[in-house]
Amino acid sequence: GESVGLHLPTLSVQEGDNSIINCAYSNSASDYFIWYKQESGKGPQFIIDIRSNMDKRQGQRVTVLLNKTVKHLSLQIAATQPGDSAVYFCAETPPLGGYNKLIFGAGTRLAVHP
Amino acid sequence: EAQVTQNPRYLITVTGKKLTVTCSQNMNHEYMSWYRQDPGLGLRQIYYSMNVEVTDKGDVPEGYKVSRKEKRNFPLILESPSPNQTSLYFCASSLSWGSGSFYTQYFGPGTRLTVL
Repeated sequence: GESVGLHLPTLSVQEGDNSIINCAYSNSASDYFIWYKQESGKGPQFIIDIRSNMDKRQGQRVTVLLNKTVKHLSLQIAATQPGDSAVYFCAETPPLGGYNKLIFGAGTRLAVHP
Repeated sequence: EAQVTQNPRYLITVTGKKLTVTCSQNMNHEYMSWYRQDPGLGLRQIYYSMNVEVTDKGDVPEGYKVSRKEKRNFPLILESPSPNQTSLYFCASSLSWGSGSFYTQYFGPGTRLTVL
């Protein structure tokens, strides 16, 4: 498969545990935030998003938390499964260009062990 | 099946030889975008298009061109490729993007480009 990051920070968890992946974003005026999952050899896949006027949003087994005070975004995955093993990226839409752009973080590798 | 397709998936070329990577979506999306992905740097936006004949620079546009003559296609052109453009390229599309309106961006499978 394709190598998406040779020196990414890695989070190792046991199957069934909860995972928390953190991201520091860059622009305090960013309006929209997204978490993507990228498996080896594939393009990024949407997981969950949140607008800047919210601080928490829940999906199926995933929760995103937004702390605008410290420009921090987190993704919580409940009951982590082997299929969750992937690289996770946060992304933000800054006001530059009328919020038309998308800026990605460097990514975190999640390794799930049985 | 709704999808974003890219061709070719793999390409090895030499410095200075013009090339085009095609991107096509069948979802009638207005917004399309190109990204490059390099180890440890995440994805960086090259160009994006809000609609037909409307394109704008992303964060790393140098050395690339794009065109949007039809809604479904958004080719990426490297007029004179150089080794620093060796990368993994992704095309993405979305129903709409920006100005308070954000819809899911769907990504293609990627094109691995090597410039020797």
